[in-house]
Amino acid sequence: QVTLKESGPVLVKPTETLTLTCTVSGFSLSNARMGVSWIRQPPGKALEWLAHIFSNDEKSYSTSLKSRLTISKDTSKSQVVLTMTNMDPVDTATYYCARISEWKYYFDYWGQGTLVTVSS
Amino acid sequence: QTVVTQEPSFSVSPGGTVTLTCGLSSGSVSTSYFPSWYQQTPGQPPRTLIYSTNTRSSGVPDRFSGSILGNKAALTITGAQADDESDYYCVLYMGSGILVFGGGTKLTVL
Repeated sequence: QVTLKESGPVLVKPTETLTLTCTVSGFSLSNARMGVSWIRQPPGKALEWLAHIFSNDEKSYSTSLKSRLTISKDTSKSQVVLTMTNMDPVDTATYYCARISEWKYYFDYWGQGTLVTVSS
Repeated sequence: QTVVTQEPSFSVSPGGTVTLTCGLSSGSVSTSYFPSWYQQTPGQPPRTLIYSTNTRSSGVPDRFSGSILGNKAALTITGAQADDESDYYCVLYMGSGILVFGGGTKLTVL
């Protein structure tokens, strides 16, 4: 049974760095052809893809947020970590992690999401 | 930057058929964009419906189908049911590892 679970702070201050962790089970981060993505959704707005990392450590980032994002993984802990620097209130959103197929570029399993609020 | 376009809203009668589309602000969508579709109800994570243009995800009923119609990807729902009332999002692969979500379509069944 594949599951993904997001964890991290519920509240961050403007200019701070956000660190989110996605802990996966039911598959290995070393599985070929699979990876983990981060996606966010501001309240009442659309989904936005942020980044993904594949089993071979290949990484990709949203063009508009690339300068602020870093994605990494710890295969032994079954965790994928996303950091986002210089947080702003517009970054308030539910952040989801999802498993992504490397060859067909779709998300097949999703976490429940974690709401992060940016406020002083 | 290329924008992925979806109808902001759509309405369908119970039992009816509706086709939602996913286009590009510049250019045509083809199978090379690996279009995928997701359904989301309030407070829930998205549910995967369709990937690689027309492959249904496990457990998705066959009244959901995907295709390329003209220069857009399309999601067709036949025999619409009340619980199909949701937000629907498409995702396109832009190359170089980049994925882009559409703005979503709010589907009303009434």
